Amino acid sequence: EIVMTQSPATLSVSPGERATLSCRASQSVSSNLAWYQQKPGQAPRLLIYGASTRATGIPARFSGSGSGTEFTLTIISLQSEDFAVYYCQQYNNWPPVTFGQGTKLEIK
Amino acid sequence: EVQLVESGGDLVQPGGSLRLSCSASGFTFSNYGMHWVRQAPGKGLEYVSVISSNGGSTYYADSVKGRFTVSRDNSENTLYLQMSGLRAEDTAVYYCVKDPNFRGYFDYWGHGTLVTVSS
Repeated sequence: EIVMTQSPATLSVSPGERATLSCRASQSVSSNLAWYQQKPGQAPRLLIYGASTRATGIPARFSGSGSGTEFTLTIISLQSEDFAVYYCQQYNNWPPVTFGQGTKLEIK
Repeated sequence: EVQLVESGGDLVQPGGSLRLSCSASGFTFSNYGMHWVRQAPGKGLEYVSVISSNGGSTYYADSVKGRFTVSRDNSENTLYLQMSGLRAEDTAVYYCVKDPNFRGYFDYWGHGTLVTVSS
């Protein structure tokens, strides 16, 4: 089973600034990597799939990059609604898919 | 509009059973693989199970294998998760999720249903 490790666990950023979230896979997952956003009391929402393709309706301030074992989710010009928990997920050799433990993006 | 509505979550004693349902609308249910993902209180996401579009293929995480059974009724646009031998560690919100092209990522999630296993 592929282990996904996200860093940092918590990221404090000011509104309007840039946030960079990292995700590392224990072995190559090619570009089969998705990112989700989860707000308190809500279900996760798909942001990015294929490591860099934004899902339908996702603002352009969200971008994903990387391949193999190292991935990054970048959010520029942070808005108040962007403060949430973010999960990465690999779907290279599945099942099972596996998730990272999450990064909490909080207001600085 | 795609909608996934889970139901059936409840408080159940250890060793008990429960059946979760997920009613789907807004898309051709029979064309899509469907998954269950769970989230223990205050914890991260854990993959539980998948069923192919025609129900012919299924998979279970090791943590639930032999205790949970996934099924679907394409005539009723409904996904099920039959849970037995429930343990305290099965306590979680269970999400029904849609896979856009059976690739293993999830474009739509239900709101979730809470299963609590406790005496």
